[in-house]
Amino acid sequence: DQQVKQNSPSLSVQEGRISILNCDYTNSMFDYFLWYKKYPAEGPTFLISISSIKDKNEDGRFTVFLNKSAKHLSLHIVPSQPGDSAVYFCAASDQTSYGKLTFGQGTILTVHP
Amino acid sequence: NAGVMQNPRHLVRRRGQEARLRCSPMKGHSHVYWYRQLPEEGLKFMVYLQKENIIDESGMPKERFSAEFPKEGPSILRIQQVVRGDSAAYFCASSGGESPLHFGNGTRLTVT
Repeated sequence: DQQVKQNSPSLSVQEGRISILNCDYTNSMFDYFLWYKKYPAEGPTFLISISSIKDKNEDGRFTVFLNKSAKHLSLHIVPSQPGDSAVYFCAASDQTSYGKLTFGQGTILTVHP
Repeated sequence: NAGVMQNPRHLVRRRGQEARLRCSPMKGHSHVYWYRQLPEEGLKFMVYLQKENIIDESGMPKERFSAEFPKEGPSILRIQQVVRGDSAAYFCASSGGESPLHFGNGTRLTVT
C-alpha cells in the first residue's frame, strides 16, 4: 500500500531551466509534507516543507506547491543547476508524529550543463 | 560538525550472525528515528525512540529486530540471526521535537 507515490522514476533537465518533481498521496490524515534530496552514499538532506494550512512555500530556488483537493504536491527548482542532480524524495506525516515519515520511491533528477 | 553520526558505514555479516548499528543524534536532539531503505525503494520507518523509551515501533519486523536509546551512549539497532533479506541501507535521523528530521549517512548492511 503505497501511500506516497512519485510516479516519475527519473527526470532530465537542461541547466537554467525549471525542474518540476511531482508527488501524490492517498492518506487524507497527512498534514505535513517535506522534500529531501539524496546523493549516493549519503543520507537524505532536508530541502523544504509545507503544512496543510498553506498551498505554497518558497525558499530561494525551491518552491513547493500543495493541492489538497487533488492530494498532490510538487517541487519546483528554478533555475536548475548541475549540482541539483540527485534523488529527490517526497515525504509526508501527520500531526500525531511529525518524525514518522512516509516516503515516496524517489525521482532521479539529472541536470545537464 | 555535530551532525547525526552513524557507524559503521559498511557492515558485512554472514547469515545467522548479529548486526549492531549505532547512531549518535545531533547535539541537543532527544528524538531518534530509524529508517530502512531496500534496493530501488524509498525509506521506510522502523522505530521512534526517546531517551530510554520506545515511542513507536510499528515499523519494526516482529522478530529478530530490536532498538534501544539508553540514557548514556548512542542508539543501537540490533538485528539477530541476519538473513539475506536484511541487506539494506539503515538510516538514523534525529530531531529536537517538531523540527524536520536530520539524517545520518547510513549503515549499509550486506548479508552474505
